[in-house]
Amino acid sequence: NAGVTQTPKFQVLKTGQSMTLQCAQDMNHNSMYWYRQDPGMGLRLIYYSASEGTTDKGEVPNGYNVSRLNKREFSLRLESAAPSQTSVYFCASSEVWTGPYGYTFGSGTRLTVV
Amino acid sequence: DAKTTQPNSMESNEEEPVHLPCNHSTISGTDYIHWYRQLPSQGPEYVIHGLTSNVNNRMASLAIAEDRKSSTLILHRATLRDAAVYYCILRDVSGGSNYKLTFGKGTLLTVNP
Repeated sequence: NAGVTQTPKFQVLKTGQSMTLQCAQDMNHNSMYWYRQDPGMGLRLIYYSASEGTTDKGEVPNGYNVSRLNKREFSLRLESAAPSQTSVYFCASSEVWTGPYGYTFGSGTRLTVV
Repeated sequence: DAKTTQPNSMESNEEEPVHLPCNHSTISGTDYIHWYRQLPSQGPEYVIHGLTSNVNNRMASLAIAEDRKSSTLILHRATLRDAAVYYCILRDVSGGSNYKLTFGKGTLLTVNP
């Protein structure tokens, strides 16, 4: 099925370790996004890429970096993980940055930092 | 920024209609009204969106007040699979302050068998 694929689905890290969350979409969408969701909270935007070759900060970018590798792939990197980064991470994509188009979300990466 | 207000939770019975309200009194002319839902342990799922007129699709209907200050998501016959958190979100398609999809806490819908 067409959609957004995130890997890994689960990850446990020790404080200070680094890791990269991978996201790929096969819908030829131009825009991609990374959100995090903490327990009982709504989703908060970390970074987004309006189009291939561009990235920009969202609401909570501190402690993260992103790479728009090509049109299909958008990765999120934690350089030095902290317990406050324990969360569920969702990648999403949309046809274009503006316009009333819906977002398609992946199924999430559940990250625990101990 | 234009914000939305939704009840924290609602309950419904299976096979009955569900009306999920959303207030957005400071909506601007270029704000589209989007609804998403999030089933347990899954990512959000797009449900429907509209600007001024009522909208229908295979999942739901969206009824928008004439002054656009409120809207209602209608699930015509609730099933157990509709139990989820429902988010009402304003999105400014002109690229203004609400152009990012910003999620609040939504309404937790419980469907009773």
